[in-house]
Amino acid sequence: GENVEQHPSTLSVQEGDSAVIKCTYSDSASNYFPWYKQELGKGPQLIIDIRSNVGEKKDQRIAVTLNKTAKHFSLHITETQPEDSAVYFCAAKSDSNYQLIWGAGTKLIIKP
Amino acid sequence: KAGVTQTPRYLIKTRGQQVTLSCSPISGHRSVSWYQQTPGQGLQFLFEYFSETQRNKGNFPGRFSGRQFSNSRSEMNVSTLELGDSALYLCASHGPGTSGGPSSYNEQFFGPGTRLTVL
Repeated sequence: GENVEQHPSTLSVQEGDSAVIKCTYSDSASNYFPWYKQELGKGPQLIIDIRSNVGEKKDQRIAVTLNKTAKHFSLHITETQPEDSAVYFCAAKSDSNYQLIWGAGTKLIIKP
Repeated sequence: KAGVTQTPRYLIKTRGQQVTLSCSPISGHRSVSWYQQTPGQGLQFLFEYFSETQRNKGNFPGRFSGRQFSNSRSEMNVSTLELGDSALYLCASHGPGTSGGPSSYNEQFFGPGTRLTVL
């Protein structure tokens, strides 16, 4: 069936450095790719998304890149700060599905 | 707009009991999805309700059930609780864009979750 693989499961970076999380999807019809951030004690919240007609999207310190040929997309966080510590989920969806297919999540730890 | 609300926030039950969790979606959203999240695990999809009908279902046993009311509020029920049912249960609402079809269901808005502990 359709699935999304996400790596790494845990990522520890020094404050101020960059962090990259990668996801690969299986359904070539997928055309919507969101990233969610889940802070401790809260539900996931959308932080950025990208559609298949765009290769890259930026919002301040975060960016997402998409490679449709390779069927993978990545989240880039620059100049990491303590408040970036959280679990990040990627997901993918096609126009024929109501549901998102979720990655397993990445726990990002920002070391002071 | 008020966000997605879930009640109760915390719940402690014993094995064999049953439990009902409640979710109120964002006003105007007609779709509610439920997820189970266990420590170190991702988001396991339980089911989705739209206009009082179950539209999608994940791979969970029949002990897990849900329903949706005419005001879009949703409940999920777990019968005969097992230790492994201890988890954070999240609900998410999403509403259609202008087209109303699956292509317009994108961003999901999550509630804070209900933390269920089974002893």
